[in-house]
Amino acid sequence: AQKVTQAQTEISVVEKEDVTLDCVYETRDTTYYLFWYKQPPSGELVFLIRRNSFDEQNEISGRYSWNFQKSTSSFNFTITASQVVDSAVYFCALSAAAGGTSYGKLTFGQGTILTVHP
Amino acid sequence: DAGVIQSPRHEVTEMGQEVTLRCKPISGHNSLFWYRQTMMRGLELLIYFNNNVPIDDSGMPEDRFSAKMPNASFSTLKIQPSEPRDSAVYFCASSRNRLETQYFGPGTRLLVL
Repeated sequence: AQKVTQAQTEISVVEKEDVTLDCVYETRDTTYYLFWYKQPPSGELVFLIRRNSFDEQNEISGRYSWNFQKSTSSFNFTITASQVVDSAVYFCALSAAAGGTSYGKLTFGQGTILTVHP
Repeated sequence: DAGVIQSPRHEVTEMGQEVTLRCKPISGHNSLFWYRQTMMRGLELLIYFNNNVPIDDSGMPEDRFSAKMPNASFSTLKIQPSEPRDSAVYFCASSRNRLETQYFGPGTRLLVL
C-alpha cells in the first residue's frame, strides 16, 4: 500500500520568510513518481513539479525548490521569500509505476495549509 | 491550449435526485481520472480510464456511483440517487498516459440537501 504523510496541517508565516513543507512517503515500488500540487483559495489544483524515483537531484524553479531524499523517503518543498500569493493548500502525491491496476494512481497527502501574512 | 473542462461548476440538488457531472479531457490525453475531495477524506481517486476503458473503479463508493467514457473527449460521473454525504468537490484530471502528469479541471462543487 502507498501512503503520503504531510505532518504539518497548517503553517503561518510573514511575507519574505522562507518556509519548508514536509512530505514523507511510503511505497514498496522501486519505481515511482512524486508530485506537488497547489490549491489556491479559488479551488483549482495546480501542478507544480513531478520527480522520478531514480532522479534524486534537487530542483529549483524561481522561489521554489524541492529536496528529494530516498534515504529518508522525503520530498520536501521550500518557498524562499514567501509572498501573500503563495497562500494556498499544498499537496504532495505519489504515483506507483509497478504495473497492475494501481499503475499511475495518485495517492495524496492530507495537505498543508500555508498562510502568508503581509 | 484548453485545459480540462468540467461542468457544471456548481450543483445544488435535493436528496434522491440524479446528478451528472461532465468532463472533457485535454486533447491527446489518453488517461482520465475522477477524484473526490472532502474535508474528512481529503483527495481520493474514484475511478480512472485508459483509452476510454475503465481500469480501476475500486474507489467508487457504492453502486449509486457510475462513470462512463463513451469517447476520448468526454466522460460522465453519475450519482443516482444522491445523498447528503455525497456533497464534495469532484475533480476530473487527464494525462497523456497513466504515468504522465495529471492535469486537473476546475472541479464541480456538489451540494446535496
